[in-house]
Amino acid sequence: GAGVSQSPSNKVTEKGKDVELRCDPISGHTALYWYRQSLGQGLEFLIYFQGNSAPDKSGLPSDRFSAERTGGSVSTLTIQRTQQEDSAVYLCASSFDPGQGLYYNSPLHFGNGTRLTVT
Amino acid sequence: EDQVTQSPEALRLQEGESSSLNCSYTVSGLRGLFWYRQDPGKGPEFLFTLYSAGEEKEKERLKATLTKKESFLHITAPKPEDSATYLCAVQAPLYSGGYNKLIFGAGTRLAVHP
Repeated sequence: GAGVSQSPSNKVTEKGKDVELRCDPISGHTALYWYRQSLGQGLEFLIYFQGNSAPDKSGLPSDRFSAERTGGSVSTLTIQRTQQEDSAVYLCASSFDPGQGLYYNSPLHFGNGTRLTVT
Repeated sequence: EDQVTQSPEALRLQEGESSSLNCSYTVSGLRGLFWYRQDPGKGPEFLFTLYSAGEEKEKERLKATLTKKESFLHITAPKPEDSATYLCAVQAPLYSGGYNKLIFGAGTRLAVHP
């Protein structure tokens, strides 16, 4: 089937506006991750969803960032009152993960990202 | 603090000129080390997972090896289509429990010229 799908592929917004980024994971994948990639930087972990468990939000850089995952499938990352430093590529990934704190080594499958530019 | 450092930042090779990329890491209890390839405008694509020191994995012209402190990605007789950014990541504990968060290095940009 299809891979991880992200939309939009590009987003230009004015400073102070809110933006929503969407991710459709691979069907059957229980875990979903958001990462941020800035120019010349490694991927920065933002948030992790696993089934019905409470998400791990430990990577969110500020309270302007939030994410939800509806029905265990599609996820939306929302950035409120965008700032120029929010400009980056936002990557979504999914994997099969049994959860419950169990170690599992299924590789992450990434989408092609949303390039966000805040002017 | 868990960290992943990749070197060099950029590498230029002639077609057929073999070389190695380095990934050094510090993590409390390594569960797995991953290599990914990323092409411009694309998301990272999975290459290998390594679990224990001494392990090796191969795919076409690529071979990944692992020691207790670092991993190497060896590229034998590279071709221009091998040009990409190669990312290394280690599996680390999640705040909420479990070990499925990946911590990434900044990557090595490889350019192979004909």
